[in-house]
Amino acid sequence: DAGVTQSPTHLIKTRGQHVTLRCSPISGHKSVSWYQQVLGQGPQFIFQYYEKEERGRGNFPDRFSARQFPNYSSELNVNALLLGDSALYLCASTWDIDGNYGYTFGSGTRLTVV
Amino acid sequence: KQEVTQIPAALSVPEGENLVLNCSFTDSAIYNLQWFRQDPGKGLTSLLLIQSSQREQTSGRLNASLDKSSGRSTLYIAASQPGDSATYLCAVEARSQGNLIFGKGTKLSVKP
Repeated sequence: DAGVTQSPTHLIKTRGQHVTLRCSPISGHKSVSWYQQVLGQGPQFIFQYYEKEERGRGNFPDRFSARQFPNYSSELNVNALLLGDSALYLCASTWDIDGNYGYTFGSGTRLTVV
Repeated sequence: KQEVTQIPAALSVPEGENLVLNCSFTDSAIYNLQWFRQDPGKGLTSLLLIQSSQREQTSGRLNASLDKSSGRSTLYIAASQPGDSATYLCAVEARSQGNLIFGKGTKLSVKP
């Protein structure tokens, strides 16, 4: 079984540009979450989607948006990039077995804004 | 608002030593607590998941405990090895928020 896959692995963008990050959850997982991790900090929650509906949003500006597709893959979009958006962006899919559930993370996309 | 704190921020030990990493959280109303490992520049690898109804979980040389009433979890690593060197992150899923809330991590270095 493939794990959570994210693309691209690395990305360099210029301030003011737009970026799209992609995530495919584990087969059968219907929920996807996005997290931002800046250097030296723990990951911070950005969005959660379940069955194509937004289920939660963290404390991030409207420049950040996301969506989930019918195949449960997801995109995270960031507009008008700032230097402070440089971070590791992590995607997680949620598994649910008999009412117990947890998170499996992908390897992340390293975004550098210059 | 749920907050997660990990102590110490960094730890250096000689190979073979047993060690304990600490995690505390402010709101005991959680669904679960999960410990992750992160190698430099990489994603998160799940180590142990403790559901709110459980007290501990074990996997190989790792043992994690959960005390919801005191808002604490510990990750015990037995007979540490240089390959254990990484950052260890603790995260809780709070009932009030429905997403993972992470600590800043403990950076572990195991010296040969």
